[in-house]
Amino acid sequence: GAGVSQSPRYKVAKRGQDVALRCDPISGHVSLFWYQQALGQGPEFLTYFQNEAQLDKSGLPSDRFFAERPEGSVSTLKIQRTQQEDSAVYLCASSPRNYEGQYFGPGTRLTVT
Amino acid sequence: SQQGEEDPQALSIQEGENATMNCSYKTSINNLQWYRQNSGRGLVHLILIRSNEREKHSGRLRVTLDTSKKSSSLLITASRAADTASYFCATMDTGRRALTFGSGTRLQVQP
Repeated sequence: GAGVSQSPRYKVAKRGQDVALRCDPISGHVSLFWYQQALGQGPEFLTYFQNEAQLDKSGLPSDRFFAERPEGSVSTLKIQRTQQEDSAVYLCASSPRNYEGQYFGPGTRLTVT
Repeated sequence: SQQGEEDPQALSIQEGENATMNCSYKTSINNLQWYRQNSGRGLVHLILIRSNEREKHSGRLRVTLDTSKKSSSLLITASRAADTASYFCATMDTGRRALTFGSGTRLQVQP
């Protein structure tokens, strides 16, 4: 009966490194979302999956950002060649079929030095 | 980019008082949702109001929606110290599943 979990909770990366952030949605939830939240701001949408299909990736800021959900459950957000402006909290959310609210995980705080 | 503005940006009240937060948005929406975020934590869904609804209640929460003015308000009655958090409105645009969040209101309830 756990909620959405994310790992790691904190990640420090040197500029230019690649990072991978993991999201475990609530079991059975078909929809999965990634958001980026800068300090003091509201979350901004990155991408959305329905099962394993990535239906909307309009919010990904550059081609350095890539997300996947190959088996329709766990998802990974990968950021290549990290830049300082990538520093933010990355939030994952999931929701069941026919429900429009979203259940959020605690986030991964990424700091790029 | 953020959908719109929330005001006030920050609000400090005494326990027992009511707190009102406002949200404006720009697009055609399917629904509008309010979320709470405690410091350093994930967001918690509070309430959802559909575009064809004007008012909704849930416990101490009351939400209104005026689609002609593209605005919404969240009222928390009889506030408690535990209500201290940031509150965000989020809209679901017609035809999309993604949420577009406002910039948030930081509420401080003094015991």
